[in-house]
Amino acid sequence: EAQVTQNPRYLITVTGKKLTVTCSQNMNHEYMSWYRQDPGLGLRQIYYSMNVEVTDKGDVPEGYKVSRKEKRNFPLILESPSPNQTSLYFCASSFSGMNTEAFFGQGTRLTVV
Amino acid sequence: AQSVAQPEDQVNVAEGNPLTVKCTYSVSGNPYLFWYVQYPNRGLQFLLKYITGDNLVKGSYGFEAEFNKSQTSFHLKKPSALVSDSALYFCAVRGYGQNFVFGPGTRLSVLP
Repeated sequence: EAQVTQNPRYLITVTGKKLTVTCSQNMNHEYMSWYRQDPGLGLRQIYYSMNVEVTDKGDVPEGYKVSRKEKRNFPLILESPSPNQTSLYFCASSFSGMNTEAFFGQGTRLTVV
Repeated sequence: AQSVAQPEDQVNVAEGNPLTVKCTYSVSGNPYLFWYVQYPNRGLQFLLKYITGDNLVKGSYGFEAEFNKSQTSFHLKKPSALVSDSALYFCAVRGYGQNFVFGPGTRLSVLP
């Protein structure tokens, strides 16, 4: 089954404790992206990647890191999480053609206390 | 730079009535436009897209969207709303650098 898989689905952590949210897709997509969703603010892009070893900042990259060492994986790293990073996070992927839609993971609900 | 606006935070409609969720966009070059739906505690699901050709695009679950180049709009429509259509709807454009830009979302409530 074609899918984007995020792990974990739910995470509660403490301020300053490094964490990684994994994202993996099995569709051989070139493009991958991370978004955060907050009430009243819609979807805001954090980082995106057009292909292996190519990453770019989105609208809200501060406090986050990403890497794209393999085509299928695009982990999101929070080196020192803070409470304002409490949010619902989504990973998405698509082929690189302009006319192709993105597929989304099920989301990761992160709470930083 | 490309942008997407969804002028209504909330749309309420009675079951069985037609529904419209509005979207306007700004992009340089040809627009590639998408609609997604998000049900509670779920990821975004693709509904339909406009690439080129016919201005009326049909998609999943009976939804369709009308592209209007002169008004830079891409409104989502359904002839007869169902209570199960209640969800959060996002319009998106794929533009510069092949990146996706999403609108803020519109919450649709279909009342029985």
